[in-house]
Amino acid sequence: SAVISQKPSRDICQRGTSLTIQCQVDSQVTMMFWYRQQPGQSLTLIATANQGSEATYESGFVIDKFPISRPNLTFSTLTVSNLSPEDSSIYLCSVEDRQGAGQPQHFGDGTRLSIL
Amino acid sequence: QKEVEQNSGPLSVPEGAIASLNCTYSDRVSQSFFWYRQYSGKSPELIMSIYSNGDKEDGRFTAQLNKASQYVSLLIRDSQPSDSATYLCAVRPVTGSARQLTFGSGTQLTVLP
Repeated sequence: SAVISQKPSRDICQRGTSLTIQCQVDSQVTMMFWYRQQPGQSLTLIATANQGSEATYESGFVIDKFPISRPNLTFSTLTVSNLSPEDSSIYLCSVEDRQGAGQPQHFGDGTRLSIL
Repeated sequence: QKEVEQNSGPLSVPEGAIASLNCTYSDRVSQSFFWYRQYSGKSPELIMSIYSNGDKEDGRFTAQLNKASQYVSLLIRDSQPSDSATYLCAVRPVTGSARQLTFGSGTQLTVLP
């Protein structure tokens, strides 16, 4: 499966600031996915990032709060803006091994974000 | 009704026993089903995929799918303390452009030595 590198692995941020998370894949992939996992909760999809087009956001997530870039087929960033304590979560990027509706997703190691 | 439901547990089994984890889903057109294992502080790791009705075995793991009942399960034979983790059921339809996974809330499994 693809090797997915996420940076930073963890961060502690002040309220009102922003954090940009990077996701690098060792092979070209069409779609990259960004998830949030709040403490003690399961994973919730934030958005799907396609190269060369705007990200597709899920209900409850907006571009102003979670801007996403996808400059090429191996890289994406997620920014969490105007941080508040409710943003304390693990943020995960994932990719599909191969393009196809039935393919599983594999996850990066995640970014653990805490807000002071 | 949640789209993917799992018993949150915690589920405790003795070492060597069979652990049975269950998942139900609401979307009848779902065609792809996955089990992920997540250790505390780690990201989810894929352990099983299943697409057809019946059983699929991989080592100590068996996934069971019943589309008529909208039910998928994971059996772990000869459970080991290293199997202690949260197990996440994930479902995805094949229709249209819906490519995202919908996750259950996870079942926390503890295997007692």
